[in-house]
Amino acid sequence: DTGVSQDPRHKITKRGQNVTFRCDPISEHNRLYWYRQTLGQGPEFLTYFQNEAQLEKSRLLSDRFSAERPKGSFSTLEIQRTEQGDSAMYLCASSFGTVSYEQYFGPGTRLTVT
Amino acid sequence: AQRVTQPEKLLSVFKGAPVELKCNYSYSGSPELFWYVQYSRQRLQLLLRHISRESIKGFTADLNKGETSFHLKKPFAQEEDSAMYYCALVQGAQKLVFGQGTRLTINP
Repeated sequence: DTGVSQDPRHKITKRGQNVTFRCDPISEHNRLYWYRQTLGQGPEFLTYFQNEAQLEKSRLLSDRFSAERPKGSFSTLEIQRTEQGDSAMYLCASSFGTVSYEQYFGPGTRLTVT
Repeated sequence: AQRVTQPEKLLSVFKGAPVELKCNYSYSGSPELFWYVQYSRQRLQLLLRHISRESIKGFTADLNKGETSFHLKKPFAQEEDSAMYYCALVQGAQKLVFGQGTRLTINP
């Protein structure tokens, strides 16, 4: 296991299209997080899962965004009807246990909406 | 609302000089604070956390509750310290709240 992986690494899409990103956490980690990072900003929390349960969603996560972690392993983040403002780096992180003091980040998926 | 502020977007120092990256926070309660680092073309990784009181790669950070600060310091900068540094706190023992980041450049 080489760490958290994300696929694809880059995605270019036209406005209005749907996109889906995948995150594979470190195998024994039960918590999985999604963050979004725009240029010049730090990562901003979107949502997190403990096992397959989605326990919190940020107000940043509009109804066009949906995330799943069906078997408590990998997770997907889908954006419907993309807008130019969705262009950002989408980061996934995972951690072990109920005290998430160390989150391990993936390389991110860079989304460009044209 | 919980917030982390890094007042310097860019910081440039010469090799061998001391480095201090500033971080201030607002948090009701006892915060858990961290410094994350992102080297060029690498992923975000944990550098240190205040609760462990470690020194990693020569960096230290002391939590000052009176000044609500968690500044990152290193007495002698090295060229390999050039990176993006993010201060963060844990909210609700779950999600991380990050500052905007400081890009540190060490000049030879």
